[in-house]
Amino acid sequence: DTGVSQNPRHKITKRGQNVTFRCDPISEHNRLYWYRQTLGQGPEFLTYFQNEAQLEKSRLLSDRFSAERPKGSFSTLEIQRTEQGDSAMYLCASSRDNEQFFGPGTRLTVL
Amino acid sequence: KNQVEQSPQSLIILEGKNCTLQCNYTVSPFSNLRWYKQDTGRGPVSLTIMTFSENTKSNGRYTATLDADTKQSSLHITASQLSDSASYICVVSPTGGYQKVTFGTGTKLQVIP
Repeated sequence: DTGVSQNPRHKITKRGQNVTFRCDPISEHNRLYWYRQTLGQGPEFLTYFQNEAQLEKSRLLSDRFSAERPKGSFSTLEIQRTEQGDSAMYLCASSRDNEQFFGPGTRLTVL
Repeated sequence: KNQVEQSPQSLIILEGKNCTLQCNYTVSPFSNLRWYKQDTGRGPVSLTIMTFSENTKSNGRYTATLDADTKQSSLHITASQLSDSASYICVVSPTGGYQKVTFGTGTKLQVIP
């Protein structure tokens, strides 16, 4: 399968714990995006990479959130000291041009 | 504030019928508009993408239209199938920067036999 993959697909954690999600984009795509989607809402932009450079970060991305794309391929999104309000679907997308291809998402539940 | 509003919020139609979903936006200046299909618990899948100069774009039974003057788009689904049951999200990108890419809240479509 050459689509965007995300791991894990589901994560349940206790409040205060740290979690890390991984995204593997389509191999020839140099752009990678992270979004957050809560139930009944559209995805909200979190951050954007072009190759290994993080070019944009949303104001939604608080100090507890950090994203990396060290070699310009896969990316990780870490949430420190999780809060119940962090419960959401975290979507990754990649693109070579204007069309973004989304992964299946990681659903985070913070208890 | 750039906004994308979709209507109806939800829709139930009989298998084989046609339907039209609406998207109104205030994003300006405007780069492109995309329609995505999102199955429950899955990531969105692109259906169509249109720049401001395009009026219509088709993808099989899906046809999207765009009126950049009135800032309206529609997605028409012909001869609906049970597998069309999903949320349909309108996404508008302004020129310059990805911070302001705005997703609509989607229309939840249910196709029943």
